[in-house]
Amino acid sequence: QKEVEQDPGPLSVPEGAIVSLNCTYSNSAFQYFMWYRQYSRKGPELLMYTYSSGNKEDGRFTAQVDKSSKYISLFIRDSQPSDSATYLCAMNNNNDMRFGAGTRLTVKP
Amino acid sequence: EPEVTQTPSHQVTQMGQEVILRCVPISNHLYFYWYRQILGQKVEFLVSFYNNEISEKSEIFDDQFSVERPDGSNFTLKIRSTKLEDSAMYFCATQTGTVNTGELFFGEGSRLTVL
Repeated sequence: QKEVEQDPGPLSVPEGAIVSLNCTYSNSAFQYFMWYRQYSRKGPELLMYTYSSGNKEDGRFTAQVDKSSKYISLFIRDSQPSDSATYLCAMNNNNDMRFGAGTRLTVKP
Repeated sequence: EPEVTQTPSHQVTQMGQEVILRCVPISNHLYFYWYRQILGQKVEFLVSFYNNEISEKSEIFDDQFSVERPDGSNFTLKIRSTKLEDSAMYFCATQTGTVNTGELFFGEGSRLTVL
């Protein structure tokens, strides 16, 4: 079993749709959970991070962590064409970070 | 806004040649990382570096790879004898280290093409 599983997509939605991105993981030692956004030919940039289980909201973005199920999610409300990118989940424990494969999202105008 | 700077942006080399990729971390950051991303694949951890020594490395980071911070500013990744399968985007990332929030700051990447 891979340490971090993420459906690579691609995922295509119309503008304004709610997007749900998910990852599962196997290592219960992970403490910090992140979502990175990566535009084509660019480095990943941190979008959101959460510590332990719960929800965190930032504008149109909501991150959820369920440690009991080893499942994390990122929701994007009112999606925009500018949200088109690859979204990578990441998680770490003591500076040992692991990334998901990334989900390629396209938001069509 | 402070940023991680990587050079070169693209390097083409012949198989068997040595390559050095350079990274200038954000000035107050203490943890440094190299990741690679083969085209269309996931971001893979190579090595982490703290206090002038390797703190962790993956199985990808074999004897052909080395890292150092020779002058206290540049953080370099050296590949001694490149192979075709080393062709990838190499990302440097840094972290403050004061609080382990997982907030890695990535550079724009160095694309390596091995012919």
